[in-house]
Amino acid sequence: NAGVTQTPKFRVLKTGQSMTLLCAQDMNHEYMYWYRQDPGMGLRLIHYSVGEGTTAKGEVPDGYNVSRLKKQNFLLGLESAAPSQTSVYFCASSGGSLGDTEAFFGQGTRLTVV
Amino acid sequence: DAKTTQPTSMDCAEGRAANLPCNHSTISGNEYVYWYRQIHSQGPQYIIHGLKNNETNEMASLIITEDRKSSTLILPHATLRDTAVYYCIVSFTGTASKLTFGTGTRLQVTL
Repeated sequence: NAGVTQTPKFRVLKTGQSMTLLCAQDMNHEYMYWYRQDPGMGLRLIHYSVGEGTTAKGEVPDGYNVSRLKKQNFLLGLESAAPSQTSVYFCASSGGSLGDTEAFFGQGTRLTVV
Repeated sequence: DAKTTQPTSMDCAEGRAANLPCNHSTISGNEYVYWYRQIHSQGPQYIIHGLKNNETNEMASLIITEDRKSSTLILPHATLRDTAVYYCIVSFTGTASKLTFGTGTRLQVTL
């Protein structure tokens, strides 16, 4: 049981380049989330999805886009990377309302924009 | 979602109980209290959650005050592997619920 898998684990981008981060979960979870974590700070929610085909903005959505075409996958896109997007990105999934379920996190993607 | 207040850091001797406090004075009646931890730079790990009653699992115990305005996470016998940042989060039930992380408490377990 792999849980939540993030691809890639590390990436260096030049300013203005684009890339897509992939999150895959094998637990048949409805809810998926993308967070970013900057040094010394807590996690901040970028976008989330409450089911296949749906997405919603979180706390810091600017500069990112997401898609949930398949239930098991949640993609995070950076159309034109900026140095301010240098961060560690975490994906998470949960079975439903987080009031009564736990969230499972991936191991993170370390992105550096130069 | 209600905001939480946690101490920035705490120390605990290995083998002793670690008691991590959290204040959530604006918590609503249907908000749960969750605890997660993050070891080094790994993804956060779920520990425990509760609504009103005290809860215990193989990792920890959660004590919620009767008025629900504060809670304490207890690691009964802390080990060096418990050194981590611990996050206290309150979250609504409902379809649009999501986790909101603060800066947490950095627990250092020492010999």
